[in-house]
Amino acid sequence: GEDVEQSLFLSVREGDSSVINCTYTDSSSTYLYWYKQEPGAGLQLLTYIFSNMDMKQDQRLTVLLNKKDKHLSLRIADTQTGDSAIYFCAESNDYKLSFGAGTTVTVRA
Amino acid sequence: NAGVTQTPKFQVLKTGQSMTLQCAQDMNHNSMYWYRQDPGMGLRLIYYSASEGTTDKGEVPNGYNVSRLNKREFSLRLESAAPSQTSVYFCAIVPGQLGDTQYFGPGTRLTVL
Repeated sequence: GEDVEQSLFLSVREGDSSVINCTYTDSSSTYLYWYKQEPGAGLQLLTYIFSNMDMKQDQRLTVLLNKKDKHLSLRIADTQTGDSAIYFCAESNDYKLSFGAGTTVTVRA
Repeated sequence: NAGVTQTPKFQVLKTGQSMTLQCAQDMNHNSMYWYRQDPGMGLRLIYYSASEGTTDKGEVPNGYNVSRLNKREFSLRLESAAPSQTSVYFCAIVPGQLGDTQYFGPGTRLTVL
């Protein structure tokens, strides 16, 4: 969706950290999400952050939210080959989600 | 896939043919959604249904109709398929435990020749 923007591609070496960035426009969004899509599969909810938080950590995943700049990022520590996928950022408003175009993450050995 | 099933998984149509994509949930959730996914464009909302018997247009409703006859099922119909409707279609539900977080079905890959 045009309201949510993210870079299209990211290549990372196995074992390094990946950082996927996203900007959104709706400051009233209650939740912001990261979804993961593996080839040929549907979207899997990876993590989310409530809009009154600025950071959330869940095992290898760290979500940072900068409300002032409307910037969201997802950091994956110790990236593995199984992390190769498309990652979608999404914002919620009024029971609808707006998605970014997705960032294709390729993990190289 | 959070109890969301979609049929069929794959379909090939000729231009002008009609078909219905089916989505069913195995829980008693109110909100259901239909999206299409195209390369480089993310997911775009076609229609959604906040409750049984109600439907609303999303971002790209033209060429589609929907039906929510009961709480469990939400169908998407293409009356006269066009090549521009070649896409992957996803159904989603909102269980409500986490605000309006959506959970997706496995998708239907549709090709219109």
